[in-house]
Amino acid sequence: RKEVEQDPGPFNVPEGATVAFNCTYSNSASQSFFWYRQDCRKEPKLLMSVYSSGNEDGRFTAQLNRASQYISLLIRDSKLSDSATYLCVVNDSGYSTLTFGKGTMLLVSP
Amino acid sequence: GAVVSQHPSWVICKSGTSVKIECRSLDFQATTMFWYRQFPKQSLMLMATSNEGSKATYEQGVEKDKFLINHASLTLSTLTVTSAHPEDSSFYICSARSGKGSYEQYFGPGTRLTVT
Repeated sequence: RKEVEQDPGPFNVPEGATVAFNCTYSNSASQSFFWYRQDCRKEPKLLMSVYSSGNEDGRFTAQLNRASQYISLLIRDSKLSDSATYLCVVNDSGYSTLTFGKGTMLLVSP
Repeated sequence: GAVVSQHPSWVICKSGTSVKIECRSLDFQATTMFWYRQFPKQSLMLMATSNEGSKATYEQGVEKDKFLINHASLTLSTLTVTSAHPEDSSFYICSARSGKGSYEQYFGPGTRLTVT
């Protein structure tokens, strides 16, 4: 069974804090990895792809450890607007389907 | 670019009726469209994958006779929930992929269905 596991949270942090989300996936054949952001009652939106070498986009850093089947997302200098649910998403093979984790909710407070 | 629309954005219907949801790719041709369902505090669950001009592939546990999918053109897919029941109340989201060497799926804004 294909599974993507995340800590559901919520993570309550003050503005300016650094927060890290973790994700594990069960299918070792998975090929592509993403972090999506979903606001309440909205569709998910791609935040960033995750590459084997790790990648950074502004305040966001994503890491992938294929041996441990583990993905992480680090958010530095949290903003109020970062409050959302962060979904770990795995593409299993080729052009195939996406498997979503349940998401980790982040609440950034003033 | 890469905008996907859904219509309607929300719908309330009575038990036993059928509801059609449209998913359109507005500025690209979508060779593949996906239909997801999301219950409160749950992850998106893939219901089916549809390729233009061919029958949809349904995920295990999804009744193809209840959730009718038509992908008649490269910019439009429809999901019809037939004989809806209250347990079908959910957030239905479509996504579209151009298929031009990209894995990325572009999501529609979702349709919130409430069956009374």
